[in-house]
Amino acid sequence: NAGVTQTPKFQVLKTGQSMTLQCAQDMNHNSMYWYRQDPGMGLRLIYYSASEGTTDKGEVPNGYNVSRLNKREFSLRLESAAPSQTSVYFCASGWQGAETQYFGPGTRLLVL
Amino acid sequence: AQSVTQLDSHVSVSEGTPVLLRCNYSSSYSPSLFWYVQHPNKGLQLLLKYTSAATLVKGINGFEAEFKKSETSFHLTKPSAHMSDAAEYFCVVSDRGQAGTALIFGKGTTLSVSS
Repeated sequence: NAGVTQTPKFQVLKTGQSMTLQCAQDMNHNSMYWYRQDPGMGLRLIYYSASEGTTDKGEVPNGYNVSRLNKREFSLRLESAAPSQTSVYFCASGWQGAETQYFGPGTRLLVL
Repeated sequence: AQSVTQLDSHVSVSEGTPVLLRCNYSSSYSPSLFWYVQHPNKGLQLLLKYTSAATLVKGINGFEAEFKKSETSFHLTKPSAHMSDAAEYFCVVSDRGQAGTALIFGKGTTLSVSS
């Protein structure tokens, strides 16, 4: 039982490049989330998926897109990376309607 | 709208002394509140949660928090700090929207423990 896994662990991009961050969970959770963590800002919600087939914007969605591929997988895409997207990205999952979320180990992204 | 304010960005204690990390919340309904911990270069781990049962909540590693509605506070305490407690701590409130439940994080408190 791996919990929530994220790939890659670390990535360096040039401004304007695109990439997709992958997240998978094996806890059969309905809901999945993407956050970004910046120094002194805590974690801020980018997008979430309350259940398979639905996605909704969080606090900071601009510059990102998401896909809920199936119940297990929720990907985050940066179409044209900007230096302001340099951050640590965390994926989380939980039961729909429950409030406890379980976090992955994070992806460190550096955009030059 | 739901929000949390962590009153200290950095707290320093000596090993064996008490820990107090302060958090105030704002909520338009009876909130669910959490404390998460993040050790350096690690993911987030749930320490404890309050969901309108007992106001004193016990968590892992000897931490506890008390929900005080009159003061809109949810402070985290531990009687005796250990070196392994050095980490960043986040106070969190849940936000129940139409599309689902999201977590609203405070900006974090860095706990340093000296020997």
